[in-house]
Amino acid sequence: EVQLVESGGGLIQPGGSLRLSCAASGFTVSGNPMSWVRQAPGKGLEWVSVIYTGGTTYYADSVKGRFTISRDNSENTLYLQMSSLRAEDTAVYYCARDHRLFYWGQGTLVTVSS
Amino acid sequence: DIQMTQSPSSLSASVGDRVTITCRASQGIGVYLAWFQQKPGKAPKSLLYAASTLQSGVPSKFSGSGSGTDFTLTISSLQPEDIATYYCQQYDSHPFTFGPGTKVDIK
Repeated sequence: EVQLVESGGGLIQPGGSLRLSCAASGFTVSGNPMSWVRQAPGKGLEWVSVIYTGGTTYYADSVKGRFTISRDNSENTLYLQMSSLRAEDTAVYYCARDHRLFYWGQGTLVTVSS
Repeated sequence: DIQMTQSPSSLSASVGDRVTITCRASQGIGVYLAWFQQKPGKAPKSLLYAASTLQSGVPSKFSGSGSGTDFTLTISSLQPEDIATYYCQQYDSHPFTFGPGTKVDIK
């Protein structure tokens, strides 16, 4: 059974850094494109980033240069390193399998506030 | 970047009604379009991809059509469990983008 479990969210001050994790089971992160999507409170979905099997990465303009997507094949885990965090980065962050977002985790809440 | 729009932004329909949601891309995206359902307080769920391919396990009352810039999602017979917000997303070119969502409820 495919399962994705995000962790690492929490309250962080503006300008701070945070690393989100997404533990996968039932498939390998190395064998699939993997994505991050976020949703600000009461708002719609916003695509954040994707990493393809060959390692190529892409980012939304709003996070480019501040966020880095990566994976650890031995841990079967996807990561999102977030730095220079802003209030507008406050959201539930979801990881998903594939660039077509076939399966989603339950999300982890990141709150950027002083 | 490709902009996605959806109409209507919300709708209210009766149980058993046929419901259609429209999604439009600001430029042609072939059939690289997906639809998602998000129920309140839950993670989104994949319904269709490649504009019309039903995701495994999704009931056949959901269907999708379109190509290029204009797409539709149809629920053939609305049921109470279909109350949700529906999003389209293009994955033709980076950065991928979502539509703003269509909120569906029961009249």
